Amino acid sequence: NAGVTQTPKFQVLKTGQSMTLQCAQDMNHEYMSWYRQDPGMGLRLIHYSVGAGITDQGEVPNGYNVSRSTTEDFPLRLLSAAPSQTSVYFCASSSWALGEAEAFFGQGTRLTVV
Amino acid sequence: KQEVTQIPAALSVPEGENLVLNCSFTDSAIYNLQWFRQDPGKGLTSLLLIQSSQREQTSGRLNASLDKSSGRSTLYIAASQPGDSATYLCAVKRGADGLTFGKGTHLIIQP
Repeated sequence: NAGVTQTPKFQVLKTGQSMTLQCAQDMNHEYMSWYRQDPGMGLRLIHYSVGAGITDQGEVPNGYNVSRSTTEDFPLRLLSAAPSQTSVYFCASSSWALGEAEAFFGQGTRLTVV
Repeated sequence: KQEVTQIPAALSVPEGENLVLNCSFTDSAIYNLQWFRQDPGKGLTSLLLIQSSQREQTSGRLNASLDKSSGRSTLYIAASQPGDSATYLCAVKRGADGLTFGKGTHLIIQP
C-alpha cells in the first residue's frame, strides 16, 4: 500500500525558475493538502482541496498554485521560485469525515532555491 | 486563530523511563487531535488520533489523552527505548482548512 507519494524527494532551483511538486494518494481520499516545514516555524498550511475541482488557500499561499483534476493527484506549482521558498514540503490526505479523519503524510520534498 | 504549544521543546531521558509530552491549544472547538512522530529527514508518521468526543487512545506503549475543555493533550510513553528518539508533533483539526501544528518536542532516549 503506497499511501501518499511525493516526487521529487530533493530539488535545487535557481531564483525565478518554476517547478511542480507532485503528490499522489491511492486511498481514495477526498481531502488533500500541502504544508511547508521551516525551522522554528512548524508546519504551515499552503493550500488544500476538499475534492476534485475544489481548492482553497491556507495560511501561506503566496507564490504557489494548485489544481485538483483527479481525486488521486494534487500538484503544487511554484510560479517563480524565491529563496524564501526554500523549505521542506509535505503533502497530506485524509477522508472527508472531519471528526474521524486521520491525516496521512508523504515523505516530503526538500527544496532549495539559490 | 488556533495556536498549538508543545512543552517541553526538547527532552533527554535514560532508557526505561516513563515520560509525558504536553500539548495545549487555544480554541477548544476541534474535530480531532493527532500525534505524529517525525524522524530526521523523514515524513510524519501518525501515532494516535483522538476524536473530539473521546478522552484517550492507546497504541502499544503509547497513550494519548484529550481534555478539550481545558485545551490540553498529553502523550504518555511507557518504558522508553532508544528507538523512540524522534520529534513528536501534536496537531489539531478545527475544520476543513487543515491541521494546526505545534512546533514539536525533540526527544532523545539515552541507551
